[in-house]
Amino acid sequence: SADLTQPPSVSVSPGQTASIACSGDILGNRFVFWYQQKPGQSPLLVIYQDTKRPSGIPERFSGSSSGNTATLTISGTQVMDEADYYCQAWDSSTAVFGGGTHLTVL
Amino acid sequence: QVQLLQSGAEMKEPGGSVKVSCKASGYTFASHDINWVRQASGQGLEWMGWMSPNSDNTVYAQKFQGRVTMTRNTSINTAYLELRRLTSEDTAVYYCARETNNWFDPWGQGTLVTV
Repeated sequence: SADLTQPPSVSVSPGQTASIACSGDILGNRFVFWYQQKPGQSPLLVIYQDTKRPSGIPERFSGSSSGNTATLTISGTQVMDEADYYCQAWDSSTAVFGGGTHLTVL
Repeated sequence: QVQLLQSGAEMKEPGGSVKVSCKASGYTFASHDINWVRQASGQGLEWMGWMSPNSDNTVYAQKFQGRVTMTRNTSINTAYLELRRLTSEDTAVYYCARETNNWFDPWGQGTLVTV
C-alpha cells in the first residue's frame, strides 16, 4: 500500500519559518492536500492541490511540491499555529494520509 | 454555510455494530462524495472509504472491507457509516468529510465510538 512519511514533530520559535515535509512514491504525479488539527477539533483544510490556500487561511501558510516530496511552510509562525498537520494524497481511488506532524511553537 | 452534523457518541459491546450519521446542509448533497475518516486517541487520521450520494458507488479501504457499509438517504441529506464486528481497536472518533475535487472540506464535528 502507498505510504506518506512525515516527521513526527517540528519545533519553531514564534516569528520564524516552519517547514513540514511529506514524502512518498505516489506524490510524483498527484496533488497533495494539507490539514491542520488542533486538540479537540476536527481537521481543517489549509492547502489544496499542492499550493493553493482556501479562503480564510492566512497567507503565512504555503505549500510546494517537487518530485516525491511536498512541503507545508508556515512563515512568521504564530503560537496559534501549534497543532498537528497531516498531508493527504490519492492512490487510485484510495485516500492516504501521512502519519502527522506535531508543530510546537515556543 | 456548508456544514456536516454528526450523530452523538456511542458505546458498544465487542462484536456489535454501530451506525453513525452525517447530515449535510448548506450545499447540494448529491454533488459531493462523502468520505469517512477515523482517529484513535492520540493517533493519526485513518481513511475508511467514500460514497457517492447520487449513486450506489462506494470504495472502502481494504482494511475495512467486509465489515463496513456506507449508505445515504438523499431525502434528508444524510450519509451513514455502519461498522460491524466491533473490537476495542475500533474505539475512535469517526469523522465524515465532504469531498471537493479530491480534498476534504469541511469535516463533521466527529463522533466518538467506544467499544
